[in-house]
Amino acid sequence: GQNIDQPTEMTATEGAIVQINCTYQTSGFNGLFWYQQHAGEAPTFLSYNVLDGLEEKGRFSSFLSRSKGYSYLLLKELQMKDSASYLCAGPFGNRDDKIIFGKGTRLHILP
Amino acid sequence: DAGITQSPRHKVTETGTPVTLRCHQTENHRYMYWYRQDPGHGLRLIHYSYGVKDTDKGEVSDGYSVSRSKTEDFLLTLESATSSQTSVYFCAISVDRTNTGELFFGEGSRLTVL
Repeated sequence: GQNIDQPTEMTATEGAIVQINCTYQTSGFNGLFWYQQHAGEAPTFLSYNVLDGLEEKGRFSSFLSRSKGYSYLLLKELQMKDSASYLCAGPFGNRDDKIIFGKGTRLHILP
Repeated sequence: DAGITQSPRHKVTETGTPVTLRCHQTENHRYMYWYRQDPGHGLRLIHYSYGVKDTDKGEVSDGYSVSRSKTEDFLLTLESATSSQTSVYFCAISVDRTNTGELFFGEGSRLTVL
C-alpha cells in the first residue's frame, strides 16, 4: 500500500516544541522523507530516514520506526518563519523511485 | 540551485485545448517527476521518468502524457485540458544517485483551465 497519513493542521507557540506525526503502510517501504513548504513556494527537502531512530539536524529532528510504520518531525525553539506546511513522503514501486507524498500538515505559529 | 526551470510559469487556457508544460534541468540528473498540487490533496504524482524514454505512471496519470527524448527536458502534455486540471504543477529532479527521494523542485507552473 501507499497510504501516508498526517494531521491536516497544527498550532504551536513561538519558542515551543512541536511534533508532527506521519504514519504509512509498511509494505514496500524503503525510507521516509520530510519536506517543508512555505505558502506560494515550492517544497524543500528537510530530512531522510532509512534506519530506525532519531536523526538530528539543528532545530529539526526526524524519527522513524519501521516496524510501526511511524515517523515524526520534531521542531524545537519554534520561530515565526517555521509557519509552513510539512510533508512526509516515501519511495514506492518496484524500483523504490515512485515518490509519494502525504497531504501535508499546515503548522501555524502563534507569537 | 539544482538548475531546474519550468515553463510557462503561468497559463490560462480553455477547455479542450492542448497544453504542454516543460521542465528543463542543466545538471544531467537521471530522475525527473511531475506533480500537481491542489488544496486538500497535497502533492500528487502524475508521471515520472527514470531515464531518456523511460517513464512510469504515478497516482493521477489519467488525462496526462509525458515525454523525455533527452536528459535535460521532461514534458507534460494535457491532450485536451479540462477544468479539473486547473492546478499548480511542480517538476522535481532527484539530486542524489543513491537516494531518489531527495527531490529539488522547480518553482511551479500555475495552470487555469476555463
